Amino acid sequence: GAGVSQSPSNKVTEKGKDVELRCDPISGHTALYWYRQSLGQGLEFLIYFQGNSAPDKSGLPSDRFSAERTGESVSTLTIQRTQQEDSAVYLCASSRRTGGSSYEQYFGPGTRLTVT
Amino acid sequence: GENVEQHPSTLSVQEGDSAVIKCTYSDSASNYFPWYKQELGKGPQLIIDIRSNVGEKKDQRIAVTLNKTAKHFSLHITETQPEDSAVYFCAARGNEKLTFGTGTRLTIIP
Repeated sequence: GAGVSQSPSNKVTEKGKDVELRCDPISGHTALYWYRQSLGQGLEFLIYFQGNSAPDKSGLPSDRFSAERTGESVSTLTIQRTQQEDSAVYLCASSRRTGGSSYEQYFGPGTRLTVT
Repeated sequence: GENVEQHPSTLSVQEGDSAVIKCTYSDSASNYFPWYKQELGKGPQLIIDIRSNVGEKKDQRIAVTLNKTAKHFSLHITETQPEDSAVYFCAARGNEKLTFGTGTRLTIIP
């Protein structure tokens, strides 16, 4: 079946502009995660959605970052007033559920964001 | 919160030899430990995982071991092949989230 998809694959923006990144999770996956991966680094957790529960925003680095998800479908990550340090690959992952034994997270290909 | 350390950061092995990557974690409540392989320009791909009620798991040339007492787990790749070259990440799950190690760049030398 279809995996996690993300768009755009690449985004170049000028410093100070807002950007919106999109994630389409695997159908039926109730949990959705956003991560940031800086060049040559590990994955930094940003935000987590589980069904209709309030999202866990504990990883968002500043109030310029926000994310939304409608039900159990598409999610968008918005970065306002982008800064050069926001340049990174933004990865989305989904999983069937977080309780019980279904922990596996499946990642999308990522969006490479470059702020000039 | 959870802290995961991963070693080595780079590893080169001759084709056909074995590769071992090690991780330690800090939160004794963590109960799920996946390993991901990331190829250039792609998202991480889950290759094997282990839960805290198991000490070892094997899938063909890949195996993972877990020592809960010492809070460390390892990835073992045997009979390495050129297509095993990639960056490998370990992770530990606690409190609904995965915490990742910083990655190991594995290079297989033909």
